[in-house]
Amino acid sequence: SYELTQPPSVSVSPGQTAIITCSGDKLGDKYTCWYQQKPGQSPVLVIYHDSRRPSGIPERFSGYNSGNTATLTISGTQAMDEADYYCQAWDSSTGDFGTGTKVTVL
Amino acid sequence: QVQLQESGPGLVKPSQTLSLTCTVSGGSISSGGYYWSWIRQHPGKGLEWIGYIYNSGYIYNSGNTYYNPSLKSRVTMSIDTSQNQFSLKVNSMTAADTAVYYCARGAKFSTSSGFSIGLGYWGQGTLVTVSS
Repeated sequence: SYELTQPPSVSVSPGQTAIITCSGDKLGDKYTCWYQQKPGQSPVLVIYHDSRRPSGIPERFSGYNSGNTATLTISGTQAMDEADYYCQAWDSSTGDFGTGTKVTVL
Repeated sequence: QVQLQESGPGLVKPSQTLSLTCTVSGGSISSGGYYWSWIRQHPGKGLEWIGYIYNSGYIYNSGNTYYNPSLKSRVTMSIDTSQNQFSLKVNSMTAADTAVYYCARGAKFSTSSGFSIGLGYWGQGTLVTVSS
């Protein structure tokens, strides 16, 4: 399987920018999705195809992918953004998830 | 609004086969074009992609399946368009298979350089415990 590594945790102050990384070999050659999961809830898709937002997802969520790293950026982070975030990379019809990052809004 | 609901046993004995069903409402599986997926999450851990079954909508197509290579030898997925359901079977269950199992609907987005499948709708998840 394809390994995707994320930092276990990221802390951010309200109103500041949170950057979550997802690293994998030649990840930029694949396309990524990002999911938000709050405690006791099912994951929610926040980014697909590296940088596209599904309808209903706030503009403060953005994504980028190049080289060996994909990033999810949350601009103007709000308390409601506190959650676990997972990247997912698609290649040859398999979709491996990253290790997950807990975002804490202090 | 599309909704998905998993159903199946909450407790499975070691070596037995797990059978889970995902019932879809608010949309028809037979219309085709979506990637009906299964994902699991071990207690307190991250997400693990199990695989998907793709239904093209062609009446004679029973669905194309793609599985996580690490689970491929034990996993089978199928679609029942008459019931608007899709299913997951995992055989030879062990304690390591204890997890919350989610079903989800994926939509493919393609460009000239590749594709991604965004899992836009998820079930609430069902906890499966493997224990004697």
